[in-house]
Amino acid sequence: QVQLVQSGAEVKKPGASVKVSCKASGYTFTSYGISWVRQAPGQGLEWMGWISAYNGNTNYAQKLQGRVTMTTDTSTSTAYMELRSLRSDDTAVYYCARVWGGPNAFDIWGQGTMVTVSS
Amino acid sequence: SYVLTQPPSVSVAPGQTARITCGGNNIGSKSVHWYQQKPGQAPVLVVYDDSDRPSGIPERFSGSNSGNTATLTISRVEAGDEADYYCQVWDSSTDWVFGGGTKLTVL
Repeated sequence: QVQLVQSGAEVKKPGASVKVSCKASGYTFTSYGISWVRQAPGQGLEWMGWISAYNGNTNYAQKLQGRVTMTTDTSTSTAYMELRSLRSDDTAVYYCARVWGGPNAFDIWGQGTMVTVSS
Repeated sequence: SYVLTQPPSVSVAPGQTARITCGGNNIGSKSVHWYQQKPGQAPVLVVYDDSDRPSGIPERFSGSNSGNTATLTISRVEAGDEADYYCQVWDSSTDWVFGGGTKLTVL
């Protein structure tokens, strides 16, 4: 079945970096884009950025420009999201989601990865 | 940037109809998607392109969009519909934007 499986929870210190993976299966990886969405504890959903699995083109949310990098490895059907210079307000559950190209909706989601930033 | 406004909470009795709104400037000109998120789970797409349902989503879920307001309607509400609901739009100038979310409580 179509699914996205993310890497496990992370605990990082302020100023460090984190890299979360998202492995796709059950569909042709390069036919869809991947978006990343985060959710701080008790808060709503925040779109972080998008990457084309076809050609690697990216588009990042303005507030994260310069701190976030999204990449893909087509040989393993895996997408990655790296966030640098972590702060306490980066503590959140990070989701990857498949972008359904026609409607530009997020039709398949990963299970989420908790990233905790604490000294 | 484009802003989507949702009521923080909506309450409804079982068997009744719940309506969750999503306000935005001229949102009727955009395609609106809706997601359901239950506690501790990832969001699930329940309506896309204003009013279409992905396979597996009950017909009780429907949507509309006109003017400055999009609406998710859940008919014959069940206890299992209790969740947070988020609207979302995509626009070439703003990329993807989510509303703040609405907590649906089934009384």
